[in-house]
Amino acid sequence: GDSVTQMEGPVTLSEEAFLTINCTYTATGYPSLFWYVQYPGEGLQLLLKATKADDKGSNKGFEATYRKETTSFHLEKGSVQVSDSAVYFCALSDQGFQKLVFGTGTRLLVSP
Amino acid sequence: DTGVSQDPRHKITKRGQNVTFRCDPISEHNRLYWYRQTLGQGPEFLTYFQNEAQLEKSRLLSDRFSAERPKGSFSTLEIQRTEQGDSAMYLCASSLKLAGGTEAFFGQGTRLTVV
Repeated sequence: GDSVTQMEGPVTLSEEAFLTINCTYTATGYPSLFWYVQYPGEGLQLLLKATKADDKGSNKGFEATYRKETTSFHLEKGSVQVSDSAVYFCALSDQGFQKLVFGTGTRLLVSP
Repeated sequence: DTGVSQDPRHKITKRGQNVTFRCDPISEHNRLYWYRQTLGQGPEFLTYFQNEAQLEKSRLLSDRFSAERPKGSFSTLEIQRTEQGDSAMYLCASSLKLAGGTEAFFGQGTRLTVV
């Protein structure tokens, strides 16, 4: 079945450092890809998405590019802030968006 | 609209008891999903509804679990004869079915502890 693999955390960075969180997927067909973020004490929020190959999703300085050839959707940010500390989940869905398949999540800790 | 609402936020129950959770989706959303999340894991799909019809159920949803969405509005998830392995965060999400899919909005979840 479909699956998502993302790097284990925690990822610990200093403020203004460059962030990469790796995500690879296995799926039949052409899934849509997502990054969700969960801030402490809050629910899951959609951070960005891409629905077809070579699409780039972006939001709040975060970016991820849908790479079909490497089945990857790595999350990047050029300069992280303390407020970015959260758990980040990579996910995919089929084209009909019947359900999301999530990775295990990566905790990001940013220190001043 | 205040988003997806779940009640209660926390539930502690004794093993063997029945529990019921409620989810109120965003009002115009016709799709509603239930997920379960255990510590250190990503959410796992349990079931989803389009309007009042339950269209898919995961193998994770044993016979002790039942979900309903009467009238296509709020939904309930009931767990009968709870077991310690049922302890988890239960998440509800809703979306509006459009061509090409759309964003799912999540509630803050109901944390279940079975003692």
